[in-house]
Amino acid sequence: DAKTTQPPSMDCAEGRAANLPCNHSTISGNEYVYWYRQIHSQGPQYIIHGLKNNETNEMASLIITEDRKSSTLILPHATLRDTAVYYCIVRAPLNTGTASKLTFGTGTRLQVTL
Amino acid sequence: DGGITQSPKYLFRKEGQNVTLSCEQNLNHDAMYWYRQDPGQGLRLIYYSQIVNDFQKGDIAEGYSVSREKKESFPLTVTSAQKNPTAFYLCASLTGDGYTFGSGTRLTVV
Repeated sequence: DAKTTQPPSMDCAEGRAANLPCNHSTISGNEYVYWYRQIHSQGPQYIIHGLKNNETNEMASLIITEDRKSSTLILPHATLRDTAVYYCIVRAPLNTGTASKLTFGTGTRLQVTL
Repeated sequence: DGGITQSPKYLFRKEGQNVTLSCEQNLNHDAMYWYRQDPGQGLRLIYYSQIVNDFQKGDIAEGYSVSREKKESFPLTVTSAQKNPTAFYLCASLTGDGYTFGSGTRLTVV
């Protein structure tokens, strides 16, 4: 699985959009981009994933650049409860025969403030 | 509700004792994983299993052992050979849509 690079920390005011970047310049054509978040002392929670099109769900939006070398997770109206560590991961589909063991880096620690 | 159950949430053991962490899932997922997390660090893979009766070492398997006798269960044993066992342990299962994690077990060895 390709490696990702994220800033170690970011701040965001409550009610504003939080834009979390991720670089994955070595991503392969069949690798998906996944985002998870981990609130302190809990298991990571799935947020969203995508291949090349932008994706949106009830939690967030995912913008993937045309060359797929980077992406941005957008929390449109951040709340205090969104304070967490956000992990960006890339991986191939399960049916490719790879082990699909994901590598979690240190992520971005998002602090939402009043 | 379907999910992954890890128990107990907090566990204390004396140095030199083996301890087994439980992980049960009712999601019918084939692949299961154990990760370790230290303060301020990312997740490091200990062991994973893609199917019953089969498992592979991850990046930091030394001092740990696992079994996968049933699809639903993937227990992790932290042996006395593990030099720094105090950590937060996370179990996960995987389908095409991604990982589902348990709530974790915080192990403290004194």
